Amino acid sequence: TQLLEQSPQFLSIQEGENLTVYCNSSSVFSSLQWYRQEPGEGPVLLVTVVTGGEVKKLKRLTFQFGDARKDSSLHITAAQPGDTGLYLCAGEGSSNYKLTFGKGTLLTVNP
Amino acid sequence: GAVVSQHPSRVICKSGTSVKIECRSLDFQATTMFWYRQFPKKSLMLMATSNEGSKATYEQGVEKDKFLINHASLTLSTLTVTSAHPEDSSFYICSARATGTSGGAITGELFFGEGSRLTVL
Repeated sequence: TQLLEQSPQFLSIQEGENLTVYCNSSSVFSSLQWYRQEPGEGPVLLVTVVTGGEVKKLKRLTFQFGDARKDSSLHITAAQPGDTGLYLCAGEGSSNYKLTFGKGTLLTVNP
Repeated sequence: GAVVSQHPSRVICKSGTSVKIECRSLDFQATTMFWYRQFPKKSLMLMATSNEGSKATYEQGVEKDKFLINHASLTLSTLTVTSAHPEDSSFYICSARATGTSGGAITGELFFGEGSRLTVL
């Protein structure tokens, strides 16, 4: 069973601060995805990283995939209240297409 | 663009009844769909993999007789919670993996439904 450790689980910060969310595993994933979810809605894909060492930027969000494709991070610069939500990392197995989700990071950005 | 629709979005039922939740891929086909369960402020827990034309593959600890899955066509999977009890109350989410290229979806792309909130009284 592939496990993804996501941290921190809860994060409450002030507007303008920076933050980093981590996802770590002992398993290798063919790809790793980051999602954001609002209460009562399905998760929305933010980014997919596939290549070890890959870095992708989405406005103030920077996503990195570890060289060994076992870990990933999400960095948000100058967080805004609109960034508030549940952030989920999910790793895709190489043989079965199943997504293994981390426990999620509940982010609250206070104005 | 590719969309996955779940129905109903909310359902309230009495204990002991069965509830069916539909997951439809709109404008694309999906031979594989996934069903997840999510508790408040928690992550998604994979329940089962739904395979078109064959039996679903359940994750460890998920009762197959309790959560019946039928993937009768390339665009529809259903999850039936049988003899529902209050502890089955949860947010159920499906995702569909695109097969072929249509509706803006590329093979292998994964799309999530909006989720279905089940409350069992």
